[in-house]
Amino acid sequence: RKEVEQDPGPFNVPEGATVAFNCTYSNSASQSFFWYRQDCRKEPKLLMSVYSSGNEDGRFTAQLNRASQYISLLIRDSKLSDSATYLCVVNSFSGSARQLTFGSGTQLTVLP
Amino acid sequence: DAGVIQSPRHEVTEMGQEVTLRCKPISGHDYLFWYRQTMMRGLELLIYFNNNVPIDDSGMPEDRFSAKMPNASFSTLKIQPSEPRDSAVYFCASSVQGQNTDTQYFGPGTRLTVL
Repeated sequence: RKEVEQDPGPFNVPEGATVAFNCTYSNSASQSFFWYRQDCRKEPKLLMSVYSSGNEDGRFTAQLNRASQYISLLIRDSKLSDSATYLCVVNSFSGSARQLTFGSGTQLTVLP
Repeated sequence: DAGVIQSPRHEVTEMGQEVTLRCKPISGHDYLFWYRQTMMRGLELLIYFNNNVPIDDSGMPEDRFSAKMPNASFSTLKIQPSEPRDSAVYFCASSVQGQNTDTQYFGPGTRLTVL
């Protein structure tokens, strides 16, 4: 089983739609969680951190369920510019070393 | 502000040749990470440094790979000898202690093709 699993998609949605991505992680000792965005042939960039209480940034809402080891990202009112691959990232500590694990990404295409 | 700088941006080489990838982290950042991304395996952490010291190299695939950070503003990832299966995009990223250390800033990557 992969440490971090995501539905690879692709998700093809019309402009204005609401779309949700899910991510599960296997290490119950994981400590922090993030969503990164990666445009085609570009580097990943931090989209938002994921807090236990849930957090919102404009049209984006992230939620964490530690009991179920589950993270989600909700995008409301999708824009064409939201088309990208969304990477779920989990950070764990093993001794003094950090273990950053990226999911394989969920591809989103927003259609006009 | 200059972000993370990587060179070369593209590298095409033949199997058996030595390849050296270079990275300049953001000034003041004390963590540096090397990643590899392929379609099959996604984004994988190879090694990371803190204050120029390698902390975790468990992701380095084999002895053909080595990484150094001789000072705070420069790191190299070397593959010797290179093999076709090393073809991938190699990203360098940096972050800083004191803030959210998991906000990593990625360079544009080096696209490596080994023929």
